[in-house]
Amino acid sequence: DTEVTQTPKHLVMGMTNKKSLKCEQHMGHRAMYWYKQKAKKPPELMFVYSYEKLSINESVPSRFSPECPNSSLLNLHLHALQPEDSALYLCASSQGQWNEKLFFGSGTQLSVL
Amino acid sequence: GENVEQHPSTLSVQEGDSAVIKCTYSDSASNYFPWYKQELGKRPQLIIDIRSNVGEKKDQRIAVTLNKTAKHFSLHITETQPEDSAVYFCAAASSGAGAAGNKLTFGGGTRVLVKP
Repeated sequence: DTEVTQTPKHLVMGMTNKKSLKCEQHMGHRAMYWYKQKAKKPPELMFVYSYEKLSINESVPSRFSPECPNSSLLNLHLHALQPEDSALYLCASSQGQWNEKLFFGSGTQLSVL
Repeated sequence: GENVEQHPSTLSVQEGDSAVIKCTYSDSASNYFPWYKQELGKRPQLIIDIRSNVGEKKDQRIAVTLNKTAKHFSLHITETQPEDSAVYFCAAASSGAGAAGNKLTFGGGTRVLVKP
């Protein structure tokens, strides 16, 4: 299995909703990442987990809350989002060296109404 | 922190011609330079990467060159085909032992259109 699986593929939520994005990989990768990508822009790093511990938080607002329950799973909990948070949320994983050869999931297209 | 500039932002080529995308980086500590291809509505996928101890790397129709002194690196695609149409992102990072805590910084992207 050489894939990073993200669910759901699409999500529409109101500003008062609570939802979660899920990411799963079974490649034995020990680093997992959340990126945010706006249309026609490069991915922007949000969080990095290394060996299930949060290693980087790129000053992301607290309405985004990451969680790494085990080495294969990564969640992003969403609460009280704003319309400007609408974007494609990409999960990625990598094995071995930090930042190298990232495998991206297909993403969750999030719309906040 | 690292800053990566990428040019051009759009590139239109005739099928069979070559395409060249250029990137510059600012942090001399960066030692790893990957290129990602993102087709419309798809995930970014790594197509080639190079480390700072290597000047050039090839993989079939794609090649990457690195000039550490000038802090720039380039992607070359030869014999372009319609399926090469996509957005290409360069990136730079510190990698390896001691790199933990350093992030991968992406360039702004180049939209490549290969016309049949």
